[in-house]
Amino acid sequence: DIQMTQSPSTLSASVGDRVTITCRASQSISSWLAWYQQKPGKAPKLLIYKASTLESGVPSRFSGSGSGTEFTLTISSLQPDDFTSYYCQHYNSYSYTFGQGTKLEI
Amino acid sequence: QVQLQESGPGLVKPSQTLSLTCTVSGGSISSGSYYWTWIRQPAGKGLEWIGRIYTSGSTNYNPSLKSRSTISVDTSKNQFSLKLTSVTAADTAIYYCARSSGWLDSWGQGTLVTVSS
Repeated sequence: DIQMTQSPSTLSASVGDRVTITCRASQSISSWLAWYQQKPGKAPKLLIYKASTLESGVPSRFSGSGSGTEFTLTISSLQPDDFTSYYCQHYNSYSYTFGQGTKLEI
Repeated sequence: QVQLQESGPGLVKPSQTLSLTCTVSGGSISSGSYYWTWIRQPAGKGLEWIGRIYTSGSTNYNPSLKSRSTISVDTSKNQFSLKLTSVTAADTAIYYCARSSGWLDSWGQGTLVTVSS
């Protein structure tokens, strides 16, 4: 089974900062990766799919990159609403696997 | 815009079967090439994929839960369901249903299921 390792688990930053969250796969997954934002008490929200495609309605300060085994989610200029949790997800023809999550805090 | 809503008992006794239903509105569960998916999240922890079903009825499950999980679909009611047998306290979690094209683009609000006697 493919394992997804997300880092860091916690990230401290300030409003206006540029931050990057990394997700590494235990073997090549091409570009089959998605990123989600989850606020407390809410369902996750899709931000990016196919590693770099921005979901409709998601602010352009969010971007994704990578292929193979290493992927990044970048937030170009943090807004107060962005301080919450983020997850990566690998998908293939028979299974899904989530990263452990990153909590972005002030 | 499709909407999903989970329903089912919030409390299940140990060793019993957890049963949840997800009702899809705003679109037919049979239209499009989507997988209908269950995910869970224990309090304060990460997301765990349980399994998915295609409208043809074909299923895929997380290997760690496969022996206890069954996902089914009722296209006439625009619903899909999860059954998880022989539950323990470790199955206490928020359970989400979602629509998937691989990535999960629409989610239910989630329902808390507690396993306790």
